Amino acid sequence: QVQLVQSGAEVKKPGSSVKVSCKASGGTFSSYAISWVRQAPGQGLEWMGRIIPILGIANYAQKFQGRVTITADKSTSTAYMELSSLRSEDTAVYYCARDMATVYDYWGQGTLVTVSS
Amino acid sequence: EIVLTQSPATLSLSPGERATLSCRASQSVSSYLAWYQQKPGQAPRLLIYDASNRATGIPARFSGSGSGTDFTLTISSLEPEDFAVYYCQQRRETFGQGTKLEIK
Repeated sequence: QVQLVQSGAEVKKPGSSVKVSCKASGGTFSSYAISWVRQAPGQGLEWMGRIIPILGIANYAQKFQGRVTITADKSTSTAYMELSSLRSEDTAVYYCARDMATVYDYWGQGTLVTVSS
Repeated sequence: EIVLTQSPATLSLSPGERATLSCRASQSVSSYLAWYQQKPGQAPRLLIYDASNRATGIPARFSGSGSGTDFTLTISSLEPEDFAVYYCQQRRETFGQGTKLEIK
């Protein structure tokens, strides 16, 4: 049984950065990808990017190119998503999910990031 | 970029009724379509993958159909716990805007 546990809620100032972690247990961390999806309050789901830990290769949605960095530490089975130059519109719940080529079958519990001055 | 359009935006039904949710793609996605259920304050949960396959532990009242550009999620007889928001997704990236299934 795969479990993804994310870091806790964050409050950030506009212009700053946030780094959210996602620790995996169960399964083999390096054998699948991890994607990050966000959900603004009352809104739908938006894919941000993914990483394949075994390769260390990440790709990003065009909307977030240049602002988001996704990394993975195979030694601790943890993926990270860092978003920079935060603005109020980045206030959202950020989810990590196990990415199995055509679906996301396991999700983290979500991390609320609030951007406010 | 492929756009997924879900309809209706809101569906009001009573427990025991049949629910039919639609997802239309702007171009063919073959059978690479998934459905998720999301309840307030919770992460999405995978229901259906590859258009018609139920994920592990998903009750048989949930079924998916379609291919190409038109897809349907059917809940044969609604249970109280089925009232939630449902999203379709293609190839792990693009999501539909969601259908809210509410109690009538």
